[in-house]
Amino acid sequence: DIQMTQSPSSLSASVGDRVTITCRASQSISTYLNWYQKKPGNAPKLLIYAASNLQSGVPSRFSGSGSGTDFTLTISSLRPEDFATYYCQQSYISLTFGGGTKVDIK
Amino acid sequence: EVQLLESGGGLVQPGGSLRLSCAASGFTFSSYAMTWVRQAPGKGLEWVSAIRINGGGTYYAGSVKGRFTISRDNSKNTVYLEMNSLRDDDTAVYYCARVTGDYRGINWFDPWGQGTLVTVSS
Repeated sequence: DIQMTQSPSSLSASVGDRVTITCRASQSISTYLNWYQKKPGNAPKLLIYAASNLQSGVPSRFSGSGSGTDFTLTISSLRPEDFATYYCQQSYISLTFGGGTKVDIK
Repeated sequence: EVQLLESGGGLVQPGGSLRLSCAASGFTFSSYAMTWVRQAPGKGLEWVSAIRINGGGTYYAGSVKGRFTISRDNSKNTVYLEMNSLRDDDTAVYYCARVTGDYRGINWFDPWGQGTLVTVSS
């Protein structure tokens, strides 16, 4: 099984901050990597697919990069509505989520 | 508008069974694979199962293989998750999602339903 490791597991940030979340795969997964946002009580929301493609309707402050084993999700300027938990997910072999990164208010 | 609506959750005793349903609307259901993902209380997202467009291929996480069965009825635009031999650690909110992919075989989940809570407890 492919293991997905996110770091950090949590972070505190302020509105306007640039935030970077990392996801590392236990083996190369090319660009078979997606990012989701999850808020309590809400359904998960797709942000980025295939490592770097912004889902329609998602603000451009979100971006993704990487290939192989190392990936990043960047929020260029944090907005109040961005405080949430973020998950990476691989679809190279089977389907696996990372453990999540909780972004809360500093 | 694309919508997914889960139902069938509830309280069940360990060892019991439950069938979840996910009704789809707003898109051509028979053209998409579908999946179930769960989130246990205080935990992260866990992929559970997926099914191909015609039901010919089904896939399961190791934690549920042999206990859960995914199926679909394209005439009813509905995907199901039959859960047997339920355990305490199956307690979670269960989400269904549409699977979309590209020419490379990269798959992603969008949109998701609002989820249905399954509680396994005596």
